[in-house]
Amino acid sequence: RKEVEQDPGPFNVPEGATVAFNCTYSNSASQSFFWYRQDCRKEPKLLMSVYSSGNEDGRFTAQLNRASQYISLLIRDSKLSDSATYLCVLAGGYNKLIFGAGTRLAVHP
Amino acid sequence: DAGVIQSPRHEVTEMGQEVTLRCKLISGHNSLFWYRQTMMRGLELLIYFNNNVPIDDSGMPEDRFSAKMPNASFSTLKIQPSEPRDSAVYFCASSDSDRATDTQYFGPGTRLTVL
Repeated sequence: RKEVEQDPGPFNVPEGATVAFNCTYSNSASQSFFWYRQDCRKEPKLLMSVYSSGNEDGRFTAQLNRASQYISLLIRDSKLSDSATYLCVLAGGYNKLIFGAGTRLAVHP
Repeated sequence: DAGVIQSPRHEVTEMGQEVTLRCKLISGHNSLFWYRQTMMRGLELLIYFNNNVPIDDSGMPEDRFSAKMPNASFSTLKIQPSEPRDSAVYFCASSDSDRATDTQYFGPGTRLTVL
């Protein structure tokens, strides 16, 4: 089983839609969680950290469910500029970041 | 402030040739990471340095790969001899933390094609 699993998508949504991605992880010792965003042919960039109590940054909401070992990312009011690949990333249990393969989002007019 | 700088941005070479990728850290950062990204395997950590010292090189594929950090702000990743299966995008990332699990800032990457 992969350490981090994501639905590769693509998720095709219209502008203004709400979309959610899940990511499951296998190592229960994982302590830190992040969402990175990667635009086509660009480098990954940190979108947000994921805290145990859940956290929000503008239109983006991240949640962590330790019991079920998954994290989620909710994007409200999707913009064309949100089109990208979203990478689920975790740490702890290993002294390095483990990246998921990513979920591709395409927002259309 | 300048971000992580990588060169070259694109490299096309023939099998058997030596390839050297370069990375300049963000000023003041003390940790350096080399990653490789392919469609099949995603983003994989190859090696990371903290304060110029290699800490974890368990991701380095084989002896053909070597990485150095000759000073606090610069690193090279060398592949000799290169093989077609080395074709990938190689990212360098830096961090201002001693922990490999804190936020990392990625460079634009080097797209390597080995024919």
